[in-house]
Amino acid sequence: AQSVTQLGSHVSVSEGALVLLRCNYSSSVPPYLFWYVQYPNQGLQLLLKYTSAATLVKGINGFEAEFKKSETSFHLTKPSAHMSDAAEYFCAVTTPGGSARQLTFGSGTQLTVLP
Amino acid sequence: SAVISQKPSRDICQRGTSLTIQCQVDSQVTMMFWYRQQPGQSLTLIATANQGSEATYESGFVIDKFPISRPNLTFSTLTVSNMSPEDSSIYLCSVVRTGSNTEAFFGQGTRLTVV
Repeated sequence: AQSVTQLGSHVSVSEGALVLLRCNYSSSVPPYLFWYVQYPNQGLQLLLKYTSAATLVKGINGFEAEFKKSETSFHLTKPSAHMSDAAEYFCAVTTPGGSARQLTFGSGTQLTVLP
Repeated sequence: SAVISQKPSRDICQRGTSLTIQCQVDSQVTMMFWYRQQPGQSLTLIATANQGSEATYESGFVIDKFPISRPNLTFSTLTVSNMSPEDSSIYLCSVVRTGSNTEAFFGQGTRLTVV
């Protein structure tokens, strides 16, 4: 069984400030982990993914995430927030060899960027 | 990546009616999925659309309520039947490219309001 917990359903940061969105996972086997972003009235777009290679993963739009096995975490960060980063962010987990049918999503974090 | 065209993008429907949502992909894909995203919530997998056979439904979803077609490797439809206000959600089509069994791509979603 696998699950994802996103701490904080709403996060607000000032423009230019650090963005930190938290994701903790539970998996009986080493996981594959993903961050997706959903802009208003749009579908989900893949930001980045961890598939057991480098633990620090860089994605699009300046985002990155670090896989920490000891903490079962995969937090998403960006050094400097931009107004265009305002969106909903979803963390997701699956297992190596598992199909996308087994992709489990977190409850989402709504990011607001204040001017 | 895969380009996914989903339509309609939004609709307002009367209770008791049905709505068919279309999903068109720009390349052949092995796996297509339909998700529901209820207001303020995360994504829940409805079913896997299988080409040439019946869809595989997740627990809590049935074919009579959500009939699915998959006539070829680039197209699928989801029908929401006998709608009630509780069916008001965003419905998302998702695909996994052939050769990749973990990375999912999403359409822009159909925002359905049942009145």
